[in-house]
Amino acid sequence: ELKVEQNPLFLSMQEGKNYTIYCNYSTTSDRLYWYRQDPGKSLESLFVLLSNGAVKQEGRLMASLDTKARLSTLHITAAVHDLSATYFCAVDSSLGTYKYIFGTGTRLKVLA
Amino acid sequence: GAGVSQSPSNKVTEKGKDVELRCDPISGHTALYWYRQSLGQGLEFLIYFQGNSAPDKSGLPSDRFSAERTGGSVSTLTIQRTQQEDSAVYLCASSPAVGRGLGSYEQYFGPGTRLTVT
Repeated sequence: ELKVEQNPLFLSMQEGKNYTIYCNYSTTSDRLYWYRQDPGKSLESLFVLLSNGAVKQEGRLMASLDTKARLSTLHITAAVHDLSATYFCAVDSSLGTYKYIFGTGTRLKVLA
Repeated sequence: GAGVSQSPSNKVTEKGKDVELRCDPISGHTALYWYRQSLGQGLEFLIYFQGNSAPDKSGLPSDRFSAERTGGSVSTLTIQRTQQEDSAVYLCASSPAVGRGLGSYEQYFGPGTRLTVT
C-alpha cells in the first residue's frame, strides 16, 4: 500500500530564514503534487512534478522530485509571514487506479 | 471560469439522519474525487469517478457511504445513518482526465462541506 510521509509535521520559523519540507513515498510513482491550505480554506495547487529531476520554482518556494529516492522537497527561501499555511504533498498511486494519496501535511508558521 | 463548487457549505445533522453532499466539477473535467478531512488532519481518499463510473471505491469507510455521478458532471456523496465520527470537512476535486500520459492531471479543489453530526 502506498504511504506518503512528510516531515516535519510542524515548523515554526523566523522570517528571512530558509527551510526544507520533505515528502517521502513508499512505492514507485513519477507524479507528485504540492498543495497549500490556509486555515478554514480549501487546497490550492502549488506545483506539479512529472518526472525524475523535475524542479519548479514560484517566488520563495522551490519544489524538486527524485523518483529514485522516492523523495520530494519543498524549499522555502527567506520566509515571509504570508507563507504560513499547511503544505501537503500528494502522490499518484500508479497501482492500477488513479487515486491520489496525500501526505500528513506540514503546518508552517512564519514568525515576524 | 467557474471552479469546483460544493453544497451545502455547512451541514449540521442529528445522529442517525441521512445527508447528501453535492459537488459540481469544472465543466469538461472527466475525473472527480471525494476526500474527507478531519480537524487538523490530512486528506483521506474516499472515491473517485472517471466519467460516471467509480473504478476505485476503496476509501469509503463503511457501507453507509455511497456516491454517484450522473451525466459525467454532478456528483453526490450520501451518508446514511450518520454517526458523530462522520463529522469532518468533505472535499471534492476534479481533474481534466486520468492517465499515465504527459498531462499533469492536476486536481482542482472545491471549498468543501463542513459536516457536523450532533
